[in-house]
Amino acid sequence: KQEVTQIPAALSVPEGENLVLNCSFTDSAIYNLQWFRQDPGKGLTSLLLIQSSQREQTSGRLNASLDKSSGRSTLYIAASQPGDSATYLCAAPSNTGNQFYFGTGTSLTVIP
Amino acid sequence: KAGVTQTPRYLIKTRGQQVTLSCSPISGHRSVSWYQQTPGQGLQFLFEYFSETQRNKGNFPGRFSGRQFSNSRSEMNVSTLELGDSALYLCASSLASDNTEAFFGQGTRLTVV
Repeated sequence: KQEVTQIPAALSVPEGENLVLNCSFTDSAIYNLQWFRQDPGKGLTSLLLIQSSQREQTSGRLNASLDKSSGRSTLYIAASQPGDSATYLCAAPSNTGNQFYFGTGTSLTVIP
Repeated sequence: KAGVTQTPRYLIKTRGQQVTLSCSPISGHRSVSWYQQTPGQGLQFLFEYFSETQRNKGNFPGRFSGRQFSNSRSEMNVSTLELGDSALYLCASSLASDNTEAFFGQGTRLTVV
């Protein structure tokens, strides 16, 4: 069974700082890995999907990398803003269908 | 393009009752998955439907069931509600295969009293 771990559990940074969120997974036979953002009491917003054949994916100030051999993915946020404050979740799929295994998330607070 | 729509957004039910939640996926998406999110357990997979067939099922008791209709809309039902069923229930929609991006709805917040 896939196990996904995210560190740190919580992070507080001043506005403008660059930061890295970490995600590790135990089963490297994944099709893809997806990063999500969740605001309190809300659903999940898809940020980036990295296919297994890719090493990086970028969207605006966000950059996600995937290293299957080491079982790691990172989400890099450049020039953080207070609006980036949320919980960030990574999810790795099972190899039998659209079942995702989620990490417990990193709660990010960006201080103005 | 409309996103994933879940109804209702909030529900309060009494222990022992049953509840039905609804999820309308993005137009053209044929896979619908359901997840339960609680502070203690995080996000846990309930089941996935593809073309009206349950393809995967998580480790939940038989009180949790679901179905998918020919238009890809899905419902999940929880019978004999327990206090521990209080959670945010999230639905995810995917285009088709195992290698596609998942999009989530806003969730249904169920409170069992």
